[in-house]
Amino acid sequence: NAGVTQTPKFQVLKTGQSMTLQCAQDMNHEYMSWYRQDPGMGLRLIHYSVGAGITDQGEVPNGYNVSRSTTEDFPLRLLSAAPSQTSVYFCASSNLLLGVGSPLHFGNGTRLTVT
Amino acid sequence: AQTVTQSQPEMSVQEAETVTLSCTYDTSENNYYLFWYKQPPSRQMILVIRQEAYKQQNATENRFSVNFQKAAKSFSLKISDSQLGDTAMYFCAFMKHVRGQNFVFGPGTRLSVLP
Repeated sequence: NAGVTQTPKFQVLKTGQSMTLQCAQDMNHEYMSWYRQDPGMGLRLIHYSVGAGITDQGEVPNGYNVSRSTTEDFPLRLLSAAPSQTSVYFCASSNLLLGVGSPLHFGNGTRLTVT
Repeated sequence: AQTVTQSQPEMSVQEAETVTLSCTYDTSENNYYLFWYKQPPSRQMILVIRQEAYKQQNATENRFSVNFQKAAKSFSLKISDSQLGDTAMYFCAFMKHVRGQNFVFGPGTRLSVLP
């Protein structure tokens, strides 16, 4: 059982480049989300999805796009990378069928540096 | 909007001693969930403990226990018999009692366990 798989683990981009961070889960979780982690700020929600075909914005969505065409995959796209997007990105999922209050299961994160 | 505060950016404790990490939150909700997550240097996010607000009994998981004070909106984590492997960032998180609701994380406390 792989859980939540994020790729790549590390990435360096130049300002203006675009890229996609991949996230896949094999637990059939309806809920998936993307967070960014910055020092002293905890984890901030970028985008989330409660099921295939449904996405919504979180606290810090600007500069990012998501799609949810399948239950398993939830890629995060950086449209035009900026130095302010240098961060560690986490994908997380939870099982809504277990009821309210199900914990988040996290991937191992992607460290992104934009120069 | 809910906010989560962790007032101790860094703490240290001697091996085998007990340490308490503080967390306060602001909400007008009556039903909700609280979590503590641990992030060791490997960057992995690991669920430590979960508390349901409508349960008065404090949650415990082996050496980890919480002191949940609903009226004071306080949710502290006590680690007993600290071990070197407890060295990590610890994040407190809040979730409303709503299906598909998002988590709100605190800024984290960096705990160092000293030999």
